[in-house]
Order: sequence, then C-alpha cells, then structure tokens
Amino acid sequence: EAQVTQNPRYLITVTGKKLTVTCSQNMNHEYMSWYRQDPGLGLRQIYYSMNVEVTDKGDVPEGYKVSRKEKRNFPLILESPSPNQTSLYFCASSLRGGANYGYTFGSGTRLTVV
Amino acid sequence: GEDVEQSLFLSVREGDSSVINCTYTDSSSTYLYWYKQEPGAGLQLLTYIFSNMDMKQDQRLTVLLNKKDKHLSLRIADTQTGDSAIYFCAEISGGSYIPTFGRGTSLIVHP
Repeated sequence: EAQVTQNPRYLITVTGKKLTVTCSQNMNHEYMSWYRQDPGLGLRQIYYSMNVEVTDKGDVPEGYKVSRKEKRNFPLILESPSPNQTSLYFCASSLRGGANYGYTFGSGTRLTVV
Repeated sequence: GEDVEQSLFLSVREGDSSVINCTYTDSSSTYLYWYKQEPGAGLQLLTYIFSNMDMKQDQRLTVLLNKKDKHLSLRIADTQTGDSAIYFCAEISGGSYIPTFGRGTSLIVHP
C-alpha cells in the first residue's frame, strides 16, 4: 500500500532530551516535507526536501533539523526540545511537489515536551 | 508571504449542502487544492483545480474558482455525518513546489 509512515504516533519527552521522528515513504517521491499543526494556526511548514541531499527551511525551522540521505526517508530531529515544540507533526511527500500530484500525508506524531 | 484564508467553523444539518470558502492572495497561483483531515488522521487530498478552470465536479464535490476575486469554494452536496472533518484549502504558485495551506475549516454535521 502506498503510504507515508511516521513513527512514533505519540511521544512524551522532557526538555532538552534529543529525539528523532522518523518518516518513510514507499512511493519513490522526490519531495518530502515536515509540518506542525497547532490550534488556530493551521499547518506550518518546518523543512522540506526536493530530493536526496537537498533540504531547505520552511516557515518555522528554528529548533529543528532534517536530513535526506535516502530518497525514502526524511527524519525530523529535535536536538534540544522545548515545551513550545509541543505540537502535532505531519510528514508529507509528493511525486514532484505540488502541481497536479498533491501531497500524501502521514498519520501524524503527537509530541508533548514537558 | 502569500496568504490563504478560511473561516474556522461551519455547521450544517445532515442532508443539506455545505459550502466552504477560501480566499488567497497570490495572483500567480497555478493549482488550488482541498484537503480533508478526519479526527486523529493526516490530511487527505480531496480534489484540486488548475487555475485556468472555473469549476470541477467530482460526485458530491463541486469546486468553484473565481480567479478575479481569488476565491475558491468547495460545495459538498447531501452532507453526511461522515463528512465532519477539518477542510484545508491550499495553493501552489508558479515556480514553487510547496503548497501554502489555510488554517482549516471545521465542518460539523448535525443529524
């Protein structure tokens, strides 16, 4: 089944403890992206990648890192999480980004930082 | 940056039509999308429309685009309780590959 898989679905961690949220897609998509969703703010893009080893900042990149060593994987790294990074995170991928392809989204990762 | 605006809530009775509206500011928008997010799930692409189209129909869904007013709408005919979800409008402008999303409209369907 064609899908975007994120792990974990739920995560509670403490301030300052490094964590990684994994994202994997099995559709050979070139474009991948991370979003956070917060009440009243909708979706805000954190980072995106247009292909392997090509990444760029979105609207809210501070406090996050990403890497794209392989086409299928696009992990989101929080080196030193803080409570304001408590949010619902979505990974998405697209064949070539936008146009008539649209994006396929993962099921989300709910992160709580205490 | 470019902006996409939606009202936050819409409440309708089961069986009625729902119309969810969206406005955008980027006059170079090429593709416009509607995504649906059900509780506890990610966004799912419902439909899209290219900027040279005025209307697109897909079963119970009708998308209308008024490019002059930069206004996009999604009409759901015979709305069912299973249509209750958050609906996101998104646009991509020429030369960009990254969509700009609205904040989402929560559609509540009453029996």
